[in-house]
Amino acid sequence: GQQVMQIPQYQHVQEGEDFTTYCNSSTTLSNIQWYKQRPGGHPVFLIQLVKSGEVKKQKRLTFQFGEAKKNSSLHITATQTTDVGTYFCALAGSYIPTFGRGTSLIVHP
Amino acid sequence: EAQVTQNPRYLITVTGKKLTVTCSQNMNHEYMSWYRQDPGLGLRQIYYSMNVEVTDKGDVPEGYKVSRKEKRNFPLILESPSPNQTSLYFCASSLFRADTEAFFGQGTRLTVV
Repeated sequence: GQQVMQIPQYQHVQEGEDFTTYCNSSTTLSNIQWYKQRPGGHPVFLIQLVKSGEVKKQKRLTFQFGEAKKNSSLHITATQTTDVGTYFCALAGSYIPTFGRGTSLIVHP
Repeated sequence: EAQVTQNPRYLITVTGKKLTVTCSQNMNHEYMSWYRQDPGLGLRQIYYSMNVEVTDKGDVPEGYKVSRKEKRNFPLILESPSPNQTSLYFCASSLFRADTEAFFGQGTRLTVV
């Protein structure tokens, strides 16, 4: 099946700094989803990207889908302590979605 | 309120003692699935179901069984649990296939001793 690499595995930031996590695949993706999991919680859907070069924003979060549809990124501007959690990308173009291993964001006040 | 409900939330059991984790959704979703989450490995799909009486293996199905007799319920069965099945389990549902928004249950933390 398709493989997806997500980096970094962990990211420590000071509150107010920016944060980016990347999701990369060796094959072309039909679409990609992003989820957030708070500590002790369950994954919660954030967004789905479908089109090549697509950019979507949700307040301080910016999601991008690469032109070649082989990579995606999630960027958070001016992190807050409420952003703490693990962010997962998921390749959802089939019946068996493939999740990245996630990036855990730790925000220091 | 639209939700996916899993029970129990926590379970400690002994090796070989059959157990069932229940999952129910109230959104009339066709697609349901089970995942296990282990440190450093992310979410891995165990089984999925595209509709009633239609189930199929995910990436890590060994040691698990599922059934889908009703659209809303998708229980996960461990016939003979082993310590390597100690994990955090999530049930999820989505409207159609996996390429629509997935709603996850609260999770079941299982420990097999």
